[in-house]
Amino acid sequence: DSGVTQTPKHLITATGQRVTLRCSPRSGDLSVYWYQQSLDQGLQFLIQYYNGEERAKGNILERFSAQQFPDLHSELNLSSLELGDSALYFCASSVGWGGPYTEAFFGQGTRLTVV
Amino acid sequence: DQQVKQNSPSLSVQEGRISILNCDYTNSMFDYFLWYKKYPAEGPTFLISISSIKDKNEDGRFTVFLNKSAKHLSLHIVPSQPGDSAVYFCAASARETSGSRLTFGEGTQLTVNP
Repeated sequence: DSGVTQTPKHLITATGQRVTLRCSPRSGDLSVYWYQQSLDQGLQFLIQYYNGEERAKGNILERFSAQQFPDLHSELNLSSLELGDSALYFCASSVGWGGPYTEAFFGQGTRLTVV
Repeated sequence: DQQVKQNSPSLSVQEGRISILNCDYTNSMFDYFLWYKKYPAEGPTFLISISSIKDKNEDGRFTVFLNKSAKHLSLHIVPSQPGDSAVYFCAASARETSGSRLTFGEGTQLTVNP
């Protein structure tokens, strides 16, 4: 158990809908990262928040948004869903804001299926 | 643009033998490299890392080698055990001014046969 909690574990929704994925970081971690893993792909970085502020952004679609709340949990909002958004979405956390020597700890992921 | 590549989707070895997983990268700004292991229905778990100032890092049965001139790293597992069967991801990061991100390879499925 990494200490990173993601809910829900599974989500099935229809195209055009909006969903929210939730992540609670490890106790004491201030950074939260979101990654997307599509079928047979590596994990693709989406976005990082540190202590409530956006710190790094990857190839995150405009239909996707995220935020980190004062209690440090984070939510990833996915809207106008398309079939291609079906993927595993992982949240990770780390103590600091980053720098190169950062080991992130991952949650179990949320499997999103868009039908 | 795949900056981190794991060219072998799968690898099968016998228990007790050495497993060698390979990873190539193209971005010369990467200066920290990590290996993660992933079991089905679980998130990736950190295994071992190496900074670009080193060429080898060892932790028990796991050793990572870095060849900066070739932009290549490898993970050696000796001896391999059936419990090592998992997907192994290579990841890399570079210095950023305000944040951090890991760039992952596609993963290699390692199967260790008893």
